[in-house]
Amino acid sequence: QQQVKQSPQSLIVQKGGISIINCAYENTAFDYFPWYQQFPGKGPALLIAIRPDVSEKKEGRFTISFNKSAKQFSLHIMDSQPGDSATYFCAASRRGNTGKLIFGQGTTLQVKP
Amino acid sequence: EPEVTQTPSHQVTQMGQEVILRCVPISNHLYFYWYRQILGQKVEFLVSFYNNEISEKSEIFDDQFSVERPDGSNFTLKIRSTKLEDSAMYFCASCPGTQGEQYFGPGTRLTVT
Repeated sequence: QQQVKQSPQSLIVQKGGISIINCAYENTAFDYFPWYQQFPGKGPALLIAIRPDVSEKKEGRFTISFNKSAKQFSLHIMDSQPGDSATYFCAASRRGNTGKLIFGQGTTLQVKP
Repeated sequence: EPEVTQTPSHQVTQMGQEVILRCVPISNHLYFYWYRQILGQKVEFLVSFYNNEISEKSEIFDDQFSVERPDGSNFTLKIRSTKLEDSAMYFCASCPGTQGEQYFGPGTRLTVT
């Protein structure tokens, strides 16, 4: 019940295309869903996050779509750029808990010029 | 912009030796975390720390691990007797509250030989 499942494991997109990464969770007590971006040799950096009271959140080229009934959320990267090439992790945490993040397996995104 | 710092960036140690990984969280943050990432795998929660005590720990965080906040700025992770399987990237994170944004440090790569 603590798992967050992420797909695909890897993704190749042409420059200017849309990158879509999906995550699913089981624990309905989760109520905070961030996405992290990680470059090789670096720590995860918070990209965007959503809470279940909204179905979508957009920040620049990055959008989270959230489907509470399906217990799924996804990251959309519009107009993907080579500089977006990185590993992306979804995560989840539970209100009233210690704030620990449960991470998905990660998606390695390559944006081809 | 404030950031989490970690030292050393890379630590090589022999099996059975003790190591201490150091972190300086963002000042005025109240919650502190250690995560680890084995090469090519997802980020895993180890321990959370609040109000000078452990608030939650994972199954990975056994008796060989300990954490300490010896002064107002540092946050350390000690592994008493390292094993080969402790080889991983260790990330420190800090957060102003339990449901706020967690900021990760650049990590310490621990290699146990």
